[in-house]
Amino acid sequence: AAGVIQSPRHLIKEKRETATLKCYPIPRHDTVYWYQQGPGQDPQFLISFYEKMQSDKGSIPDRFSAQQFSDYHSELNMSSLELGDSALYFCASSPGREGAETQYFGPGTRLLVL
Amino acid sequence: AQTVTQSQPEMSVQEAETVTLSCTYDTSESDYYLFWYKQPPSRQMILVIRQEAYKQQNATENRFSVNFQKAAKSFSLKISDSQLGDAAMYFCAYRGGLSYNTDKLIFGTGTRLQVFP
Repeated sequence: AAGVIQSPRHLIKEKRETATLKCYPIPRHDTVYWYQQGPGQDPQFLISFYEKMQSDKGSIPDRFSAQQFSDYHSELNMSSLELGDSALYFCASSPGREGAETQYFGPGTRLLVL
Repeated sequence: AQTVTQSQPEMSVQEAETVTLSCTYDTSESDYYLFWYKQPPSRQMILVIRQEAYKQQNATENRFSVNFQKAAKSFSLKISDSQLGDAAMYFCAYRGGLSYNTDKLIFGTGTRLQVFP
């Protein structure tokens, strides 16, 4: 079965640079979620989109922004990167109706800020 | 606010034996969902099992089953016939019902499971 696709899988950036993470949800899933998992920590919810509109917002820094496009893929834009942004960033998706409560995670993007 | 607590940072089990991972949660919501996710060394988050709060019957998925005690706000995971491939970090997670207009999963701090041959 098709899964959530994230790109890139690994990313190395310098402080104050910008990064863009991409997420392609499972086919026919119209809701996308972003999570950040720091080293040795549990995932923390950042933001979500349903039908291209922001649906919910968590602890996402103002330096980060995200959007969902007409093909339902989503991008997380991170500017003025800080050392503390080094983490594993997950995208998850869910269907819009039946089964909407269950989130299926992608493999994650490992971001290292030097 | 909702919270999820996993009080066992580490657990170990012998291959083919049974192990139970504990999870408690706190919520004032009446409609919610509970999940167990597995995170192996690859760090992929894999859904193991889910439970709807309105269902009294405990969820089962092959060797994985839960003991859902709604009044006690407890949601433990039992792994039967443990296999080496079960070694991973296990996260318990909570999500409010869809009527609450919240999307986020709230995770516990995880339990690292080791499986010995």
